Amino acid sequence: AQSVAQPEDQVNVAEGNPLTVKCTYSVSGNPYLFWYVQYPNRGLQFLLKYITGDNLVKGSYGFEAEFNKSQTSFHLKKPSALVSDSALYFCAVRNNYGQNFVFGPGTRLSVLP
Amino acid sequence: ETGVTQSPTHLIKTRGQQVTLRCSSQSGHNTVSWYQQALGQGPQFIFQYYREEENGRGNFPPRFSGLQFPNYSSELNVNALELDDSALYLCASSLRGSNYGYTFGSGTRLTVV
Repeated sequence: AQSVAQPEDQVNVAEGNPLTVKCTYSVSGNPYLFWYVQYPNRGLQFLLKYITGDNLVKGSYGFEAEFNKSQTSFHLKKPSALVSDSALYFCAVRNNYGQNFVFGPGTRLSVLP
Repeated sequence: ETGVTQSPTHLIKTRGQQVTLRCSSQSGHNTVSWYQQALGQGPQFIFQYYREEENGRGNFPPRFSGLQFPNYSSELNVNALELDDSALYLCASSLRGSNYGYTFGSGTRLTVV
């Protein structure tokens, strides 16, 4: 069975500081890993994905994530946070033959001015 | 290129009633998935439709049913509504076999009273 853990319900960072939102996963087969962001009263917006290849993945709005197979992690990072990055972030996984995503519970990011 | 549109945006129903939610998929996508996002939780997979047939189902009872039409749009039907069905219902479209993620709609907020 596939599962995703996001160990922090809430992450607070000051504007301009680097941010990290953590994600660990469990999946049989090769993992396909995704990050989505959700703003209030909106659907999910795609940020980035890892399918294969380079372990460091760059995505939208300056976000990046590092795939670590030995630690089964896929942490989301950004070098310099913006107030407008404040939102709910979801990590999701599926295996290479799965039809659906399994989402983590989400992490609320607050960037303080 | 149009995105995924869902209707209605908000809905209030009484326990025991039936509801139909609608979704128009993104142009070029042939697969539609439905997710339920309860307050404070990550999205949970309900089912997926491809070629007008159910193509995978999560842990939801049979009173959750769906349809996909030849133009790839879709409906989610829920019978005998329960208070716990109150949630944001997200529709996502994708292209089967693609390694890209889903494109999500903004969701329908269903409140059961």
